[in-house]
Amino acid sequence: EVQLVQPGAEVKKPGESLTFSCKGSGYSFTNYWIGWVRQMPGKGLEWVGMLYLGDSDTSDIRYSPSFQGQVTISADKSINTAYLHWSSLKASDTAIYYCARLPAGDDGGYFDWWGQGTLVTVSS
Amino acid sequence: DIQMTQSPSTLSASVGDRVTIACRASQSINSWLAWYQQKPGKAPKLLIYKASSLESGVPSRFSGSGSGTEFTLTISSLQPDDFATYYCQQYNSYSLLSFGGGTKVEVK
Repeated sequence: EVQLVQPGAEVKKPGESLTFSCKGSGYSFTNYWIGWVRQMPGKGLEWVGMLYLGDSDTSDIRYSPSFQGQVTISADKSINTAYLHWSSLKASDTAIYYCARLPAGDDGGYFDWWGQGTLVTVSS
Repeated sequence: DIQMTQSPSTLSASVGDRVTIACRASQSINSWLAWYQQKPGKAPKLLIYKASSLESGVPSRFSGSGSGTEFTLTISSLQPDDFATYYCQQYNSYSLLSFGGGTKVEVK
């Protein structure tokens, strides 16, 4: 069975850094994109960015213009895990962050399997 | 950027009703559109991809249609489990994905 496992919650102070993970299992991790989606409290879904590993040593990483420079997406294919990183959090980063799988190829681009989400709370 | 606009933002309906949700793209996205259902406290769930392809395991009362800039999600006979928020998402470009603002289907 496909699974994307994320930590349930993270609590941080403004200015602190944060990295959390999304571990995939039950499928070939390097043959799919992994994307990140933000949902602010009571709001809709926003695409943050995504990463494709493939079989080569380099990865293809794409960011929404709204999040470019604000977060960093990375992955470790040896442990089937993707990461989302902030170097300096703001209170406005408070949200649920979902990782989700996207099929690769010309017909892909939609999220066919989702993690349970990580609630990030940034408060002094 | 491609903007996605859903209507209505809230829809009141009863069990058994036929429900239609609209999604409009600011430019043509061919058939590169997906629909998701989200219940409170849960992750979204894929319903439809490529505008009209039903994801495996999704009940056949859900259907999608449209191409270009106008799309529709239809629930043929609303069931108690269908009260939720629905989102459309375009994937015309792998570099610029975007979601609609959502439609909440609530009990009338």
